[in-house]
Amino acid sequence: DGGITQSPKYLFRKEGQNVTLSCEQNLNHDAMYWYRQDPGQGLRLIYYSQIVNDFQKGDIAEGYSVSREKKESFPLTVTSAQKNPTAFYLCASSPHRISTDTQYFGPGTRLTVL
Amino acid sequence: DAKTTQPTSMDCAEGRAANLPCNHSTISGNEYVYWYRQIHSQGPQYIIHGLKNNETNEMASLIITEDRKSSTLILPHATLRDTAVYYCIVRVGDYKLSFGAGTTVTVRA
Repeated sequence: DGGITQSPKYLFRKEGQNVTLSCEQNLNHDAMYWYRQDPGQGLRLIYYSQIVNDFQKGDIAEGYSVSREKKESFPLTVTSAQKNPTAFYLCASSPHRISTDTQYFGPGTRLTVL
Repeated sequence: DAKTTQPTSMDCAEGRAANLPCNHSTISGNEYVYWYRQIHSQGPQYIIHGLKNNETNEMASLIITEDRKSSTLILPHATLRDTAVYYCIVRVGDYKLSFGAGTTVTVRA
């Protein structure tokens, strides 16, 4: 089955620890995105990548880092510098490097920092 | 991107059509209307999008008024699995998607 996978579904970490969230797609999509969703605040874009080895900051990139070494993978690291890391993290991809292209989402990872 | 207005919530009977309205009176000529839905604790699911013409796919139909200031998403035969928050978005394209509060649709047996 083609799709976007995010693992794990639930993640718990202690404050001060870095944590990496996985996002893999086998759709051969060019672009990939990371969003954060908090209750009552909709989606906020963290980072996006249109091509391998290139990525751009979104609206709330501080405290996060990404890499795009392979077309199918776009992992997100939540660092200890992120002040409020507890949230629902969503990865998305779109077929082409066009800003109006439809984005398709993975199932999400719920991160809780204790 | 243009702002959208949707009802906060609506109920629908199982097996009946669900008509979800969305106002986007400030939409510009090159902005697309997109619909997504999100079931609790899951990732958003793309439903349909359009620019000017009405669109239909296996999930739903999208009716856009001639002046493009409003649109309606139609789920032709609602099932219990269609219970979700539905988001209407207009975008010209700056890569990010911005979801508003959406409409909470509850399908009742």
